Amino acid sequence: DIVMTQTPLSLSVTPGQPASISCKSSQTLLDSNGETYLYWYLQKPGQSPQLLIHEVSKRFSGVPDRFGGSGSETDFTLTISRVEAEDVGVYYCMQVKQTPLTFGQGTRLEIK
Amino acid sequence: DVRLLESGGALVQPGGSLRLSCAASGFTFNNYVMNWVRRAPGKGLEWVSTITGSGGTTYYTDSVRGRFTISRDNSKNTLYLQMNSLRAEDTAVYYCAKRPMSSRAYDVWGQGTMVTVSS
Repeated sequence: DIVMTQTPLSLSVTPGQPASISCKSSQTLLDSNGETYLYWYLQKPGQSPQLLIHEVSKRFSGVPDRFGGSGSETDFTLTISRVEAEDVGVYYCMQVKQTPLTFGQGTRLEIK
Repeated sequence: DVRLLESGGALVQPGGSLRLSCAASGFTFNNYVMNWVRRAPGKGLEWVSTITGSGGTTYYTDSVRGRFTISRDNSKNTLYLQMNSLRAEDTAVYYCAKRPMSSRAYDVWGQGTMVTVSS
């Protein structure tokens, strides 16, 4: 199984400041077709998860441009350029290269 | 408007059974891969199962294989998860999620349905 490891597990950020979350996979997520199957989701309190980033760096429709994804093979990063109060929740990375599909443990973001 | 609406969650005793449903609307259901994901209390998200658009191919996480069955009725635009031999560790909110054609992302999620396994 591919193990996804996120750091940090919690983050407290002042509004307007940047934040970043690291996600490392135990195997490369680069497929033989050239695609890298790494995704980022946010679950806000009391809500269902929502897609932020697909295939490492592609922002999903409607996601603010302060969210960005980067990385390759086994090392990935979600960056929020200027954190806003509405960004609170738990952030997950997920690999969809092979079954069982696996999520990181989650990173809880709170506002200072 | 694309929507997914889960139902069927309940309190059930260990060893019992339950069937979850996910009613889809706003898109051509049979064109899309569908999925179940759960979140146990105090824990993170866990992928449970996936089914192709035709229903011909299914995938499961190891902990539910042989106990859970994913299926779909494309004539009713509904996804199912039949859960047998339930265990305490199956207690979670269960979400259905849609995968778009152009990606392996989960772009639309339902609101979730709570399953509690306890005596």
